Amino acid sequence: DVKVTQSSRYLVKRTGEKVFLECVQDMDHENMFWYRQDPGLGLRLIYFSYDVKMKEKGDIPEGYSVSREKKERFSLILESASTNQTSMYLCASGIPTGRLTTEAFFGQGTRLTVV
Amino acid sequence: QKEVEQDPGPLSVPEGAIVSLNCTYSNSAFQYFMWYRQYSRKGPELLMYTYSSGNKEDGRFTAQVDKSSKYISLFIRDSQPSDSATYLCAMSGGPGDSNYQLIWGAGTKLIIKP
Repeated sequence: DVKVTQSSRYLVKRTGEKVFLECVQDMDHENMFWYRQDPGLGLRLIYFSYDVKMKEKGDIPEGYSVSREKKERFSLILESASTNQTSMYLCASGIPTGRLTTEAFFGQGTRLTVV
Repeated sequence: QKEVEQDPGPLSVPEGAIVSLNCTYSNSAFQYFMWYRQYSRKGPELLMYTYSSGNKEDGRFTAQVDKSSKYISLFIRDSQPSDSATYLCAMSGGPGDSNYQLIWGAGTKLIIKP
């Protein structure tokens, strides 16, 4: 069974803290993604990675960075958390067809609250 | 204009009804079309996946793609209260497209009333 696991379901952090969100997949997928999801805005891509140590900015990378040291693990880092980063964060890994992602499998999500 | 448009709803129907959920898109290069279901406070899960045009059926669910109209649909027959969720469409390009990303609709909230 396909598995994408995010390290926390719920997280509360203080403004200015450095926050690490971890994601692990067991499907040997090349492509991994971090999204945030907010009411009325849908899924917005923060960063994605198509290979170890490779990363590409998505639509809203500001205030975030990522790390992919191993194929199965993709980390999202909030350098200095702010209240407008309160959101649901979703990690996904994707089945590539050539250079495309044709399916994505999601983790259960991390609901982050920044106070 | 967004690349993928989806009515946010909510769409409320009685149990047993046939549900039709739709997305329109503007990029004629899209070849892969997906439907995801997302329950409250959970991550999206892949429901149906279609390549190019045509229909695909899986139990009570049918996915339909009309590339000439740039329109995709998900039909749910004999709807159940457990089908209440947000349904998201997603799509990506074809051979020659270098984009790794899926392009997402905003999701339609579906409520099935017992």
